This record gives sequence, C-alpha cells and structure tokens, in this order.
Amino acid sequence: AQKVTQAQTEISVVEKEDVTLDCVYETRDTTYYLFWYKQPPSGELVFLIRRNSFDEQNEISGRYSWNFQKSTSSFNFTITASQVVDSAVYFCALRGGYQGAQKLVFGQGTRLTINP
Amino acid sequence: DSGVTQTPKHLITATGQRVTLRCSPRSGDLSVYWYQQSLDQGLQFLIQYYNGEERAKGNILERFSAQQFPDLHSELNLSSLELGDSALYFCASSITSRDYNSPLHFGNGTRLTVT
Repeated sequence: AQKVTQAQTEISVVEKEDVTLDCVYETRDTTYYLFWYKQPPSGELVFLIRRNSFDEQNEISGRYSWNFQKSTSSFNFTITASQVVDSAVYFCALRGGYQGAQKLVFGQGTRLTINP
Repeated sequence: DSGVTQTPKHLITATGQRVTLRCSPRSGDLSVYWYQQSLDQGLQFLIQYYNGEERAKGNILERFSAQQFPDLHSELNLSSLELGDSALYFCASSITSRDYNSPLHFGNGTRLTVT
C-alpha cells in the first residue's frame, strides 16, 4: 500500500525564517513519483514540483528547495527566507509506478503560518 | 489558473437530497480524477476516468457515481446526502492515464454543505 506521512500538522514561524516541511513515504513500487502541492487560504490546490524515484537530484527553485533521499524515504521541502504569502497548507503526494498507479495518494498536509 | 473548471463553487443542500458536481478538464487532458477533502479524512481519491472510461476507483461510496462524457467533461453525482458528505470536492485532470510522472492539475473545488 502507498502511504505518505507528514508528521508536522502545523508550523508557525516569523517572516524571513527558513522552514522545512517533512514528508516520509511508503511504497513497494521500485518506480514511483513524488509531488508537492500548495493549498493557499483561497482553497485551490497548486502543483509545485514532481520527482521521479530514479532521480535523486535535489532541486532549487528560487526560495524553494526539495531534498529527496531514497535511503530514508523522505522528500522534504524547504522554504528559505519565508514570506507571509507562503502561508498555506502544503501537501506531499505519492504515485506508484505500478501498484495504485492511477491515483495520487496525499499526506495529511502541514499548515504553515508565516507571521509578519 | 490551472485550466480545470469546476461548477458550482458552493452548494448547500439538505440531507437526503441529490446533487451533481461538474468538471471541465484542461484543454487536451483526457484523464479526470475526483477527490474529496474533509477535515477528518484529508484528501481522498474517489474515482478516475480516462477518455470516457472508468480507470480506477478509490474510496467512493455506493451513493456516489461519476461519468465522463464524449466532450471529456465529467460529473460527480452524490445522492441520499448525509451530513458527513459535507466536504470540498476537487476535480483534477492530466494528459494521459499512463504518464505517471504527469502532475494532476486541480480545479478550485466545489464546497458542499449538507444541512
């Protein structure tokens, strides 16, 4: 079975602090795909990034960076110099390459609040 | 804007009633997915269609049904509604069914309130 765990239910930091959102996943598939989505207060789900299981390169996009470690089954998301506009619920998600490949399995989400 | 359109944005109805949620996928996307987001269950996969055919089923109740039409828009029908069906219902689309690397693009959701 596919499972995604986001142990941090809520995080609150002051603007300009760095913050890391943890994501741990479980799958029996050897090929799989990981995603991060953002859900701002307005409610829509916004795609942020995807990563294949065979590509362990970390990625940086502006203030966002992602650390994929297969050895620990983790796909963590770091926001550098956080801003109030980063306040949202962030979801990590997993899609298997074979079993359960049709659906995207989401973690419970981490509510991030950036205080001015 | 993801390009996925969901209507209506809000729906308030009484227990026992039936409602229909509508979704238009992004232009060119053949696959449509329905998800339910509730406070206690999080984001749950309900069902997927690809080019008019059902491809995968998740935690969808028997009171719920869906279909995808020839023009690729999809409808989710919820019947005999209960208070617990109150949730945010998302539709998502992707280009194909088998490109598992392809992200799902989500609509803004329909917020259903059952009173």
